[in-house]
Amino acid sequence: KAGVTQTPRYLIKTRGQQVTLSCSPISGHRSVSWYQQTPGQGLQFLFEYFSETQRNKGNFPGRFSGRQFSNSRSEMNVSTLELGDSALYLCASSMDASSYEQYFGPGTRLTVT
Amino acid sequence: DQQVKQNSPSLSVQEGRISILNCDYTNSMFDYFLWYKKYPAEGPTFLISISSIKDKNEDGRFTVFLNKSAKHLSLHIVPSQPGDSAVYFCAASGRSNAGNMLTFGGGTRLMVKP
Repeated sequence: KAGVTQTPRYLIKTRGQQVTLSCSPISGHRSVSWYQQTPGQGLQFLFEYFSETQRNKGNFPGRFSGRQFSNSRSEMNVSTLELGDSALYLCASSMDASSYEQYFGPGTRLTVT
Repeated sequence: DQQVKQNSPSLSVQEGRISILNCDYTNSMFDYFLWYKKYPAEGPTFLISISSIKDKNEDGRFTVFLNKSAKHLSLHIVPSQPGDSAVYFCAASGRSNAGNMLTFGGGTRLMVKP
C-alpha cells in the first residue's frame, strides 16, 4: 500500500506571495492532519480534516488554511508569506476519526526569501 | 506552555546496549501516547503506541512504559543498532480534542555507536 504523498517536496517563495501544498493520504484513510516543523518551535499541529470538515485547528493565524476533497486528498494554503513561515510542512493520515495513529508523508520544505 | 517534554536533546549508546528515551507530559487529559522516529529530510515514522489503560506495550525490540501517576513515559530499545540512530519524538493525544491532534515533544537525537 502506498504511503502518504506530498507535493511539491521543495518550494521557494518570496515574502508576500501565497502557496498551496498538496497531500494524498494512504488509500482508505479518511483523516488528514497538517503539522509545521521548525527548529525553534518543533512539530506543531496546524489543522485536521475528516470527511471534508475541519475538526480541529492549532494556534496559527488565519493566513493558514486548508481543505479536504471528497477523495480525502487535502491541500493547505498559506497567504501573504512571511520569512517565519519557512519550515517543513508535514501531512499525516489516519484511518478514521477515532484512530490515534497517524502516518506521515515526507513533507514539503518551504523556504520564504 | 510545553505540554509534552523530552528533556534530553541527545543520547549516545553503544551498539547492542539498551537505549532509554524519556518523555514527560503535564496534561492529565492525554490518554494515548505514541513514539515516532525521524530521519533528516523525511517525515516521522510511527514506531509504537500505548493507551493510558496500559502500563507497557512491546513490539519486537521496542517497549514503551507508561507511568500515569508520574505523567512519564519511556521508550526502551533493546538491543540498539546503528540503524536506530535518528531523532525520536514522543507525542500525546486525548479524547478531549475534537479530532486527532497530536502534541509533540521536542525530540531526542539518538546516536548508536558501532
